[in-house]
Amino acid sequence: NAGVMQNPRHLVRRRGQEARLRCSPMKGHSHVYWYRQLPEEGLKFMVYLQKENIIDESGMPKERFSAEFPKEGPSILRIQQVVRGDSAAYFCASSPRALGYTGELFFGEGSRLTVL
Amino acid sequence: DAKTTQPNSMESNEEEPVHLPCNHSTISGTDYIHWYRQLPSQGPEYVIHGLTSNVNNRMASLAIAEDRKSSTLILHRATLRDAAVYYCILRDSGGGADGLTFGKGTHLIIQP
Repeated sequence: NAGVMQNPRHLVRRRGQEARLRCSPMKGHSHVYWYRQLPEEGLKFMVYLQKENIIDESGMPKERFSAEFPKEGPSILRIQQVVRGDSAAYFCASSPRALGYTGELFFGEGSRLTVL
Repeated sequence: DAKTTQPNSMESNEEEPVHLPCNHSTISGTDYIHWYRQLPSQGPEYVIHGLTSNVNNRMASLAIAEDRKSSTLILHRATLRDAAVYYCILRDSGGGADGLTFGKGTHLIIQP
């Protein structure tokens, strides 16, 4: 049973380009969470999605960032017109259910975005 | 999620027990106590969680104070591979659907 798969593991973009980060949750998991970790800082929650729905995007910047989790395929975190401050590690986590769930979240290895 | 307080860093020797403290004085009755750790250049990894009673698993033990205002993660015999940042997190089972709220954690240094 494969774990949470994220790709690409490393991505380099120039300012103004777009970055797309993909996350395939564990088999049987329909809930996905995205986190951002800036250098030397802790993880910050960005967005929580269930299949085809955004449940909580309270941690997502209002501009340039969007996320989706289509019925088929991986969850995508999209960053438009990247700036140097977007350079960070982006982690995806999945869980089998949400409300009332108290078990563990399963994290991927992360995608490290560098903006030149 | 309620706030937790952890020391910024701790140091221990290899093959000795490690006790990582966490204070959560504003914990509510529906908050579970979760511990995760993050090894260098990796994603967070679940360690253990509990509600009221002490918990043991293959990785660690979790000792929860009777009033639940603090807890301690115990690594019984630390190895160099246990060097990581350890996060103590409260997760509400009362209906919240969001993810975990990570603080700064404790940076555990293991000396050979």
